[in-house]
Amino acid sequence: SQQGEEDPQALSIQEGENATMNCSYKTSINNLQWYRQNSGRGLVHLILIRSNEREKHSGRLRVTLDTSKKSSSLLITASRAADTASYFCATKIGGTASKLTFGTGTRLQVTL
Amino acid sequence: DTGVSQDPRHKITKRGQNVTFRCDPISEHNRLYWYRQTLGQGPEFLTYFQNEAQLEKSRLLSDRFSAERPKGSFSTLEIQRTEQGDSAMYLCASSPDAREVGLFFGSGTQLSVL
Repeated sequence: SQQGEEDPQALSIQEGENATMNCSYKTSINNLQWYRQNSGRGLVHLILIRSNEREKHSGRLRVTLDTSKKSSSLLITASRAADTASYFCATKIGGTASKLTFGTGTRLQVTL
Repeated sequence: DTGVSQDPRHKITKRGQNVTFRCDPISEHNRLYWYRQTLGQGPEFLTYFQNEAQLEKSRLLSDRFSAERPKGSFSTLEIQRTEQGDSAMYLCASSPDAREVGLFFGSGTQLSVL
């Protein structure tokens, strides 16, 4: 079953604009991760944020985490056509479990 | 290429046939995962290996599915008596032992069951 739900399901913006995607999850987590997937390819890890962190940056990416609301957001600033892809959040619960549980994804289209 | 390698990239089979996929993880990674992804959905966890030990297995993995990782290196995923509902992208990922790192995914094997 999917742990997370991304919102919106699809997003279309113009190059240079910012893109914001949201993720909600159901259970307490150890960390939350964001991945990108280009059409028909494997996933690429973008960024990881721990449960005790509230914000993290990596290049043009900014991730926030609100554990009280069980939600996270991914902001891509100054988007480029090459950012066109599906973006997934994935959660890792604590304890001995090692698996990541992925959300349903946001399909981002960046047009010139 | 030192990334995660999966073979084959595409597999077309007839219903009822057996298929086997192979995954070669990044060489120093002890952890290996199999996921399944259908169109428009996120990856769904199937199973996880720590070295050669299969430590977690999803309830999605029916008795027609079996995975192995002999000697803790490459892994195989076999589906017996394939059904049309098995059509999906099968993704392999690996990671080192460190607890808070991301997964490194292969490009996947696209299975079509006719």
